[in-house]
Amino acid sequence: KQEVTQIPAALSVPEGENLVLNCSFTDSAIYNLQWFRQDPGKGLTSLLLIQSSQREQTSGRLNASLDKSSGRSTLYIAASQPGDSATYLCALDSGGYQKVTFGTGTKLQVIP
Amino acid sequence: EPEVTQTPSHQVTQMGQEVILRCVPISNHLYFYWYRQILGQKVEFLVSFYNNEISEKSEIFDDQFSVERPDGSNFTLKIRSTKLEDSAMYFCASSENGVNYGYTFGSGTRLTVV
Repeated sequence: KQEVTQIPAALSVPEGENLVLNCSFTDSAIYNLQWFRQDPGKGLTSLLLIQSSQREQTSGRLNASLDKSSGRSTLYIAASQPGDSATYLCALDSGGYQKVTFGTGTKLQVIP
Repeated sequence: EPEVTQTPSHQVTQMGQEVILRCVPISNHLYFYWYRQILGQKVEFLVSFYNNEISEKSEIFDDQFSVERPDGSNFTLKIRSTKLEDSAMYFCASSENGVNYGYTFGSGTRLTVV
């Protein structure tokens, strides 16, 4: 059974700082990994999707990497802004079962 | 950008009542899903739906739950007799081909059972 863990559970940084969020998974047989953002009481906004054959994806100030052999993905946020404050979730598609397994989430607060 | 639309955004119901949560997936998507998130907990898979039938369901998705795509555009989740522990945010998602293109989630329906 796929287990997905995100560390740290919460993170507080000053505005402008670069930061890294971590996602670990136990089963490396994945089809893709997706990073989402969730604002309080709101839905899930897709940030980046990495296919299993890819090593990283970039969108603006965000860069996500994937290392299947070590069971890890990281989300790098450059020059953080207060508007980046949210909970960040990673989610894995292990394929064949038509479902996604979500991580525990990292709650990010960027202090002005 | 295409969106998955969910209605209502918040529903309050009495224990034992039936509720129907509604979703309009992205029009060219073929795979549909329901997830839920109990307050403070992880987002959990409930059910996936493809070609007018359930392709997979979790242990949470018991006989009290059912899904339907009644008219080719809406995708509904019905809970027949709600329990207090059904209180959660319910998310609908759709995917173009289920594996390679990721998932688009709706903004969710917050269900409160009293």
